[in-house]
Amino acid sequence: NAGVTQTPKFQVLKTGQSMTLQCAQDMNHNSMYWYRQDPGMGLRLIYYSASEGTTDKGEVPNGYNVSRLNKREFSLRLESAAPSQTSVYFCASSVSADLPRYGYTFGSGTRLTVV
Amino acid sequence: EDQVTQSPEALRLQEGESSSLNCSYTVSGLRGLFWYRQDPGKGPEFLFTLYSAGEEKEKERLKATLTKKESFLHITAPKPEDSATYLCAVRGSGYALNFGKGTSLLVTP
Repeated sequence: NAGVTQTPKFQVLKTGQSMTLQCAQDMNHNSMYWYRQDPGMGLRLIYYSASEGTTDKGEVPNGYNVSRLNKREFSLRLESAAPSQTSVYFCASSVSADLPRYGYTFGSGTRLTVV
Repeated sequence: EDQVTQSPEALRLQEGESSSLNCSYTVSGLRGLFWYRQDPGKGPEFLFTLYSAGEEKEKERLKATLTKKESFLHITAPKPEDSATYLCAVRGSGYALNFGKGTSLLVTP
């Protein structure tokens, strides 16, 4: 089992460029999440999808959009990248947002630098 | 607003020197407290879920405990391979987990 797969692993963008971070899970999980991790800030939730067809804002949604393409895939889009979006982005999934008994399964992350 | 505070920020232990990591939390209606391990350059890896005060979970040299205000991750006779950042997270009334900033553990031979 691959678990949660994120692409790309590394990316450098110029200010104002756009890009989409891809995430796919093969565990038949219902819920998916996007977090960013910055030094000294911990993991902060950007957006989540409790189930296919639904998305909701997290703690830091400004500058991002998401799409739950199907049950397996949840993408994160930066429309106009800013240096403040330099971070490590993690996608995660869980069986259910309502009962995360078994925790989240995280991908290996995308390291994004905006110059 | 849910809050999670982890201490210490960093901890250095000799191999075999037992210690504990602390996670203090404030949450409206705790629906789970979670411990994760994160190795450099990787995503967090799930360790434990605790739901109610008094609950304990164990895995190899790790033991997690929970009270109404805090959780402890006890590490017994650690080995160098236990070196990692340990993250604590809580689930309150919202859907997603709120994470602390983590404790960076280094175990030296």
